[in-house]
Amino acid sequence: QKEVEQDPGPLSVPEGAIVSLNCTYSNSAFQYFMWYRQYSRKGPELLMYTYSSGNKEDGRFTAQVDKSSKYISLFIRDSQPSDSATYLCAMSITGANNLFFGTGTRLTVIP
Amino acid sequence: NAGVTQTPKFQVLKTGQSMTLQCAQDMNHNSMYWYRQDPGMGLRLIYYSASEGTTDKGEVPDGYNVSRLKKQNFLLGLESAAPSQTSVYFCASSDLAGGRTDTQYFGPGTRLTVL
Repeated sequence: QKEVEQDPGPLSVPEGAIVSLNCTYSNSAFQYFMWYRQYSRKGPELLMYTYSSGNKEDGRFTAQVDKSSKYISLFIRDSQPSDSATYLCAMSITGANNLFFGTGTRLTVIP
Repeated sequence: NAGVTQTPKFQVLKTGQSMTLQCAQDMNHNSMYWYRQDPGMGLRLIYYSASEGTTDKGEVPDGYNVSRLKKQNFLLGLESAAPSQTSVYFCASSDLAGGRTDTQYFGPGTRLTVL
């Protein structure tokens, strides 16, 4: 079983829709949770960063962590065509050396 | 401020050839990483370096070697390229402060094809 599981999609939504992206994990020791966005033929860039459980909001993006269920989510409100990208979840116990990535979910927002 | 840069952007090798992928960062970060990204597999860590002069194996180190002679540079070598090493390679850097996981900044990637 992989440490981090993520539905690869692809996911297509109309512009303005609310998008929900999710990852599950098996290691209860994970403390740090991240979402990266990767545009086609580019490197990943950090989108959201949370420590332990709870919610974090940044503009149209909300990250949620439910450690009891070993489940994390990224919500995108009022989705835009510019949000079309692959979204990767990542997590670690402590220290950046042992960062575990999901396989990524490809999102397309249709104008 | 260029961030993380990688050379070359594209490379085609024949089986058995060797080559070195280069990575440079100008953010004065202590830690640097090499990943490979394959369809359906996500990003997998090949090697990392916590500081200049030190390196450690990641999840998939076989067939690769690395060197970190200068703080700003991290080199990934393929000793004898195999078709299974066809992939997109990403370099990243981070500054781990006080044991806290910090942001990893990624380069644009190198697309390698081994025939």
